[in-house]
Amino acid sequence: GAGVSQTPSNKVTEKGKYVELRCDPISGHTALYWYRQSLGQGPEFLIYFQGTGAADDSGLPNDRFFAVRPEGSVSTLKIQRTERGDSAVYLCASSLWGGETQYFGPGTRLLVL
Amino acid sequence: SQQGEEDPQALSIQEGENATMNCSYKTSINNLQWYRQNSGRGLVHLILIRSNEREKHSGRLRVTLDTSKKSSSLLITASRAADTASYFCATDGDSGYALNFGKGTSLLVTP
Repeated sequence: GAGVSQTPSNKVTEKGKYVELRCDPISGHTALYWYRQSLGQGPEFLIYFQGTGAADDSGLPNDRFFAVRPEGSVSTLKIQRTERGDSAVYLCASSLWGGETQYFGPGTRLLVL
Repeated sequence: SQQGEEDPQALSIQEGENATMNCSYKTSINNLQWYRQNSGRGLVHLILIRSNEREKHSGRLRVTLDTSKKSSSLLITASRAADTASYFCATDGDSGYALNFGKGTSLLVTP
């Protein structure tokens, strides 16, 4: 079956702009996660959804970051007033249930100029 | 913050040799997972080992877990050039779902 997909693959934006990153999880997976990976580092947890609700958003760095999953499937990570420090690869993962094996998408590479 | 640490940071071997990577972590866990990443993009899940397991095999991969030492190792036997990648261990730590990754081990396998 299809894996986790993310769009766009790459996004270049200017400082101060708004961006949306999309994640389409594996069909039937109830849990969805967002991570951010900076160059030379491992991924860092941002937010976890179980169904439609954000069960844990403790990893979001500040209130410029927001994520939704309105129908319990596709999720959108939204970043307002982007800053150069937001440049990173944003990874999405899904699992059948929370705590099970997480399967990652290819990521969106965000570059803020 | 990074909870896990892989060791070594970089490893260079020749095809056919075995590669061993180690991971240490700080908190109690439910399970520990190993992932591979090529070219800084998506992570490929390799193997999951639960806290009550000590060793697990999958093809050329062998993972051990020592919860008393809070450490794990990944052994890749008979390595191939295609194994060249970064390898990360990830623990579920306090939450049971949010993965905590280390900085990874960069493995280079030369023909």
